[in-house]
Amino acid sequence: DAKTTQPPSMDCAEGRAANLPCNHSTISGNEYVYWYRQIHSQGPQYIIHGLKNNETNEMASLIITEDRKSSTLILPHATLRDTAVYYCIVRPRISGGGADGLTFGKGTHLIIQP
Amino acid sequence: DSGVTQTPKHLITATGQRVTLRCSPRSGDLSVYWYQQSLDQGLQFLIQYYNGEERAKGNILERFSAQQFPDLHSELNLSSLELGDSALYFCASSEGLAGGDTGELFFGEGSRLTVL
Repeated sequence: DAKTTQPPSMDCAEGRAANLPCNHSTISGNEYVYWYRQIHSQGPQYIIHGLKNNETNEMASLIITEDRKSSTLILPHATLRDTAVYYCIVRPRISGGGADGLTFGKGTHLIIQP
Repeated sequence: DSGVTQTPKHLITATGQRVTLRCSPRSGDLSVYWYQQSLDQGLQFLIQYYNGEERAKGNILERFSAQQFPDLHSELNLSSLELGDSALYFCASSEGLAGGDTGELFFGEGSRLTVL
């Protein structure tokens, strides 16, 4: 029961911006969009998350459409070390007594070309 | 370095055997999560513990069990191992029940289990 849809793979030239799309057309009002990445066989790494506003941190920018049905993760200047599988995840922002584990889909395998 | 430590890094065993994987969370993190990653299944959430108590269960087999100890480290026990249990097993930790302010989980480098 996939809540997100991502292209299975993408290429990007080194030094260019990598734009990774994600569709989450059934997202609920209390669900956030999270992005993680996994470099070959390493543990997944948190990148960024957002609710409805665009977000930016030292790693990436997250652009969420106004209807919140899709988003784009932007790596502004991709390097070879950004080659990884990128996972887009939607989940409620849980506080207090809530608990759950992240549900990872198949993600997008981003390959940065030299 | 996420601050989450998993041992052993690699483990080779035979079918029918039992193994224990160990996880030390980041200092101060109360939640520990276990994930399984095999080639055909992707990353699957197994179970979560918070401050010693089980809080959420995912696709964990009955042959598998976990616990979190008073010092907050966790162990994942896998018994009656089958060939299909060969996988990477990741542990993650978070500040509170659901990742603190950012909802961020910190993952270890994983334990690679090979069942022959």
